[in-house]
Amino acid sequence: DSGVTQTPKHLITATGQRVTLRCSPRSGDLSVYWYQQSLDQGLQFLIQYYNGEERAKGNILERFSAQQFPDLHSELNLSSLELGDSALYFCASSVGTANSPLHFGNGTRLTVT
Amino acid sequence: SQQGEEDPQALSIQEGENATMNCSYKTSINNLQWYRQNSGRGLVHLILIRSNEREKHSGRLRVTLDTSKKSSSLLITASRAADTASYFCATDAWGRGTSYGKLTFGQGTILTVHP
Repeated sequence: DSGVTQTPKHLITATGQRVTLRCSPRSGDLSVYWYQQSLDQGLQFLIQYYNGEERAKGNILERFSAQQFPDLHSELNLSSLELGDSALYFCASSVGTANSPLHFGNGTRLTVT
Repeated sequence: SQQGEEDPQALSIQEGENATMNCSYKTSINNLQWYRQNSGRGLVHLILIRSNEREKHSGRLRVTLDTSKKSSSLLITASRAADTASYFCATDAWGRGTSYGKLTFGQGTILTVHP
C-alpha cells in the first residue's frame, strides 16, 4: 500500500460531461502529481502541486484543471470530455525534494462513452 | 512525448532465470528511476539512480546507468513468478522552469515469468 488514495476507482461518463478525480497524498508528502496513462500515449505527466501551489505543468489540456487544497488533497477536473480522454489517471505524491521517489495511487479508470 | 525507449518490449522467461531490461533516453538527467506496474494497478517505485552514480543494488535488483550513452539497464536476478509485471524507466530532469518529480516515462517492458 503506497498510502496514496484515489477515488473513484472507476468512472464511466458520456462525452461532453465533466468529472472530478480526487487524491489524498501519503501522510507527510507535500507534493502531488497527476499522470495520465493511455495505450497510445503511455504515461504522461499532467501537472504538479507543492503545498498548494502549482509547481510544474506538462501536456495538460485546457479542458483539464487541478488544484491542491490546504489539507493537501488534490482534485483533477476534466470537462467537455471526449472519447480520447478515456485513460487511467494516476495521482502520485512525494516529499517534493530532489531525488525523492514518487508514490502512486491505484488510479482512476475513466471511460468516456 | 516519451523520452525513454525500453528494450525489449516484452520478455518471457522461466523462474530462476535473470531478466534484463534496457532503457535509453534523450536529454540530460538528474536521476533515473525504475517502476513496476502490476496489471491495471499503480506504479511501485523500485530504485533510483542519480546521474553521478554508475551502479546501484537493491535486493535482487541491479541498475546501471551510462550517462555518456544515455542508457540504463535493470537486472532482476533469480526471477520469480511474482515478478511478472510491466517495468518502466523514468527520468527526472529538473532545472529552470521545471521541478522535481516531473518524470518522463518509457513505454515499458512487459515481463512474464513462468513457474
